[in-house]
Amino acid sequence: AQSVTQLGSHVSVSEGALVLLRCNYSSSVPPYLFWYVQYPNQGLQLLLKYTSAATLVKGINGFEAEFKKSETSFHLTKPSAHMSDAAEYFCAVTDASNQFYFGTGTSLTVIP
Amino acid sequence: EPEVTQTPSHQVTQMGQEVILRCVPISNHLYFYWYRQILGQKVEFLVSFYNNEISEKSEIFDDQFSVERPDGSNFTLKIRSTKLEDSAMYFCASNEGPNTEAFFGQGTRLTVV
Repeated sequence: AQSVTQLGSHVSVSEGALVLLRCNYSSSVPPYLFWYVQYPNQGLQLLLKYTSAATLVKGINGFEAEFKKSETSFHLTKPSAHMSDAAEYFCAVTDASNQFYFGTGTSLTVIP
Repeated sequence: EPEVTQTPSHQVTQMGQEVILRCVPISNHLYFYWYRQILGQKVEFLVSFYNNEISEKSEIFDDQFSVERPDGSNFTLKIRSTKLEDSAMYFCASNEGPNTEAFFGQGTRLTVV
């Protein structure tokens, strides 16, 4: 079975600081990995996805993630946090059954 | 840009009542899903639907739950007899096929009183 683990349920960064949200996956087959963002009272919006092409994936709003097979990781980063980045971030993996497995989420707070 | 739409955005119902949550997936998508998110908790898989039948379901999706695609555009989730613990945000999603991104609706917040 596939699964993802997000370390840190809450992360706080200062505005302009580096954002690093951690995700480790467990998959018996080459994974397809996704990061979704959920703004307050809204649905899930895709930030970026890894589909076995480039290991460094660029997404919307300046976010990017690097797939590291040796570390089974897919951490999300952004060089400079903006107030508007405050949201809940979910890492997800799919398998051959096309089911999405979500992590428990990381709540990002940006301090002015 | 195509999107998944869900109605209603909020639903309040009394315990024991039946509710139907409605979704219109993206038109050329073939796979449809329902997920739920209890307040403050993770997003949980309920069911996936392909080719007019359930392809996967979780332990949460018991006999009280059912899904239907009644007319080729709508995709509904019915809860037969709601319980307090069914209170959650319910998300509909769709995608083109395996390993493609899923597009999520804005969710229906269900409150059972």
